[in-house]
Amino acid sequence: GDSVTQMEGPVTLSEEAFLTINCTYTATGYPSLFWYVQYPGEGLQLLLKATKADDKGSNKGFEATYRKETTSFHLEKGSVQVSDSAVYFCALSKGGGGSNYKLTFGKGTLLTVNP
Amino acid sequence: DVKVTQSSRYLVKRTGEKVFLECVQDMDHENMFWYRQDPGLGLRLIYFSYDVKMKEKGDIPEGYSVSREKKERFSLILESASTNQTSMYLCASSLEGAAYGYTFGSGTRLTVV
Repeated sequence: GDSVTQMEGPVTLSEEAFLTINCTYTATGYPSLFWYVQYPGEGLQLLLKATKADDKGSNKGFEATYRKETTSFHLEKGSVQVSDSAVYFCALSKGGGGSNYKLTFGKGTLLTVNP
Repeated sequence: DVKVTQSSRYLVKRTGEKVFLECVQDMDHENMFWYRQDPGLGLRLIYFSYDVKMKEKGDIPEGYSVSREKKERFSLILESASTNQTSMYLCASSLEGAAYGYTFGSGTRLTVV
């Protein structure tokens, strides 16, 4: 079945450091790929997405590129802030109707940014 | 602004009680989902619904049931709450189509004592 593997956390960085959170997936066909962010005590929010190969999703300084050849969707940010401290989830979904619209999530990566 | 609203942020219930968790969305979304989130286990799908009165089991449906009588409302029911159902419960909704992703509610932290 479909699966998403993301790097184990926690990840601790200093403010203004470069961030990479790795995400790889296993799926048949052409899934859409997502990154969600969960701030403490809140639900998940969509951070960015990409729906086809070579697409780049971006938002709030975060970027991720859909690499079909390496089945990856790594999250990057050039300079993190304390306010970026959160749990980040990589996810995929596929078309086809009905239950195929379910998102498959990775287990999440906790990011802590220190001042 | 589009919203998914979960009726309670925090809930404490006793073992054996019947518990209702309510979720309402105002976006006319076809699909709705219930997840539980536990440390080290990530998000696990309990049930989902892709139409009114339709429901499908997710990965961990045991001990839960759901109800979707109206398009905007999706209820999760714990028939007889147990301590191992202490968790964060997240509701989400989506349009029909793989590219849209989900909109999540803020979550309900349920403690069963």
